[in-house]
Amino acid sequence: DAKTTQPTSMDCAEGRAANLPCNHSTISGNEYVYWYRQIHSQGPQYIIHGLKNNETNEMASLIITEDRKSSTLILPHATLRDTAVYYCIVRGYSGAGSYQLTFGKGTKLSVIP
Amino acid sequence: ETGVTQTPRHLVMGMTNKKSLKCEQHLGHNAMYWYKQSAKKPLELMFVYSLEERVENNSVPSRFSPECPNSSHLFLHLHTLQPEDSALYLCASSQTRDGSSPLHFGNGTRLTVT
Repeated sequence: DAKTTQPTSMDCAEGRAANLPCNHSTISGNEYVYWYRQIHSQGPQYIIHGLKNNETNEMASLIITEDRKSSTLILPHATLRDTAVYYCIVRGYSGAGSYQLTFGKGTKLSVIP
Repeated sequence: ETGVTQTPRHLVMGMTNKKSLKCEQHLGHNAMYWYKQSAKKPLELMFVYSLEERVENNSVPSRFSPECPNSSHLFLHLHTLQPEDSALYLCASSQTRDGSSPLHFGNGTRLTVT
């Protein structure tokens, strides 16, 4: 899997947009960018994923640069419930017939009242 | 409700006990996964099943034994565990395993080995 680099932590004021960056400079052409988040003591929650184009769903937007070497997850109006660890993952072929999700340390997002 | 249900939520067991973790997915997915999350460490993939066939085993010790009787259920049988096996065990499922579909996780079983 391509390695990803994220800031360790970020703060965001409640009601403002949270922009979480991720670098994945070694991504290959058929690898998807995935974002998950994990709130303490719960399983990771899927947010969004994309290959080349920008994506938007009810939770967030994903902006992928044209060279695909970096991406940004945007939470348009952060709430206190968005406080979590956010993982940016490049899902690549593991060579064993499946595509692994390899989690790193993620970004701890704190939404401030 | 995540669509993936794990039981029990918490489990305390001695090193000589035998117990099983259960996972059930209600999403019609074809692939299921076991992950381990230890304190302050990233998630580690343990096993992958696709259409009830085990397709990946990430060098997991034999004291962990998975079972997938059908595409909706996944078990992790535990025996003679060590204290360092204490962790959050997470089950996940996906529609396919080709990278194009997301994994959906359960809320895990918090295991403590005494």
